[in-house]
Amino acid sequence: EVQLVESGGGLVQPGRSLKLSCLASGFTFSNYGMNWIRQAPGKGLEWVASISSSSSYIYYADTVKGRFTISRDNAKNTLYLQMTSLRSEDTALYYCARHGGFAYWGQGTLVTVSS
Amino acid sequence: DIQMTQSPSSMSVSLGDTVTITCRASQDVGIYVNWFQQKPGKSPRRMIYRATNLADGVPSRFSGSRSGSDYSLTISSLESEDVADYHCLQYDEYPYTFGAGTKLELK
Repeated sequence: EVQLVESGGGLVQPGRSLKLSCLASGFTFSNYGMNWIRQAPGKGLEWVASISSSSSYIYYADTVKGRFTISRDNAKNTLYLQMTSLRSEDTALYYCARHGGFAYWGQGTLVTVSS
Repeated sequence: DIQMTQSPSSMSVSLGDTVTITCRASQDVGIYVNWFQQKPGKSPRRMIYRATNLADGVPSRFSGSRSGSDYSLTISSLESEDVADYHCLQYDEYPYTFGAGTKLELK
């Protein structure tokens, strides 16, 4: 069974940093690209970043470019999102989702940016 | 960036209704449109992939179609469990973009 489990969310002050993790199981992690997608409270879904299976290709939404870094460790079956210079508008539930049609999503980890 | 204009933003529905939700793409995205269902407090669930393909385990009353740049999700004979938010996604070109979402509510 495919499982994606996010962690690392929490309350953080504006301008600070936070690193999210997504632990994958039930499939060969190194064969799939991965995505981060977020959802602000009461709002729609927003794609944040994608990384290819070997980390050769990385893409970001303009809203996070230069502040967020997506990475992965295939030996640990883990996807990461390093978030810096956080803003109040980054407050959201952050999901990881597997590429290959977005069939699998984690349960999300909540990031709240507030002083 | 490709815009996915989703309509309606909300819809008041009755059980047994046929419901159609549409996303219009601002540029050609081919078949790379998915539809997701999301219930409160839950992660999105893929319902339709590549515009017209029913995802595993999804009831056959759900269907996806494409007409030019318009992509539609249709629910035939709406059941109570179908009341949820629905989102479209284009994943033809980066940045990937979602529609703004459609909220189905019971009359």
